[in-house]
Amino acid sequence: GAVVSQHPSWVICKSGTSVKIECRSLDFQATTMFWYRQFPKQSLMLMATSNEGSKATYEQGVEKDKFLINHASLTLSTLTVTSAHPEDSSFYICSARDRQGTSYEQYFGPGTRLTVT
Amino acid sequence: GQNIDQPTEMTATEGAIVQINCTYQTSGFNGLFWYQQHAGEAPTFLSYNVLDGLEEKGRFSSFLSRSKGYSYLLLKELQMKDSASYLCAVFSGNTPLVFGKGTRLSVIA
Repeated sequence: GAVVSQHPSWVICKSGTSVKIECRSLDFQATTMFWYRQFPKQSLMLMATSNEGSKATYEQGVEKDKFLINHASLTLSTLTVTSAHPEDSSFYICSARDRQGTSYEQYFGPGTRLTVT
Repeated sequence: GQNIDQPTEMTATEGAIVQINCTYQTSGFNGLFWYQQHAGEAPTFLSYNVLDGLEEKGRFSSFLSRSKGYSYLLLKELQMKDSASYLCAVFSGNTPLVFGKGTRLSVIA
């Protein structure tokens, strides 16, 4: 149980275009999902916390108009990178917390590698 | 503030034992996670410590001292496949996990 999927697993796009990444909890409901970004040989950096039915909470330094987050249901959150630039190239990972569980574990998706050319 | 420190890199020999330390200073504390992350993959859960002491799970053990703000992950009988980054993360309530920068472990023959 507790499986989180992400789609796509990798994407290459041209500078100036937008890319949408989906994060789904497959066998549990997630009131809260988290979006992280990871550059090579660095740790996970939290970008935003996504709450079902409400606006996402962004970390300091993360542009909310550039990284659009929508958490429309208890099993789906999306991250849209708008007007992507080469510096947005990174590994994007989502995670979800089971609303029914007593554990505070965050279950991670497999990640999406974005390359902007 | 939140500050989590881990060594950046470690090297150990196949079959040996290695201890990866983590110290933390956070504004709140409910528990500490250890994750393993292979290059290009998402983190996978290893352990979660809430109370002081050692918790053993197969070849992996995790220790916590809340009064010292200290934890370690102990890996026994190292295998080549254990070469990965090991992330220490603190949970402070209904908030996202705060991750350390990770320790890159290289296991050599």
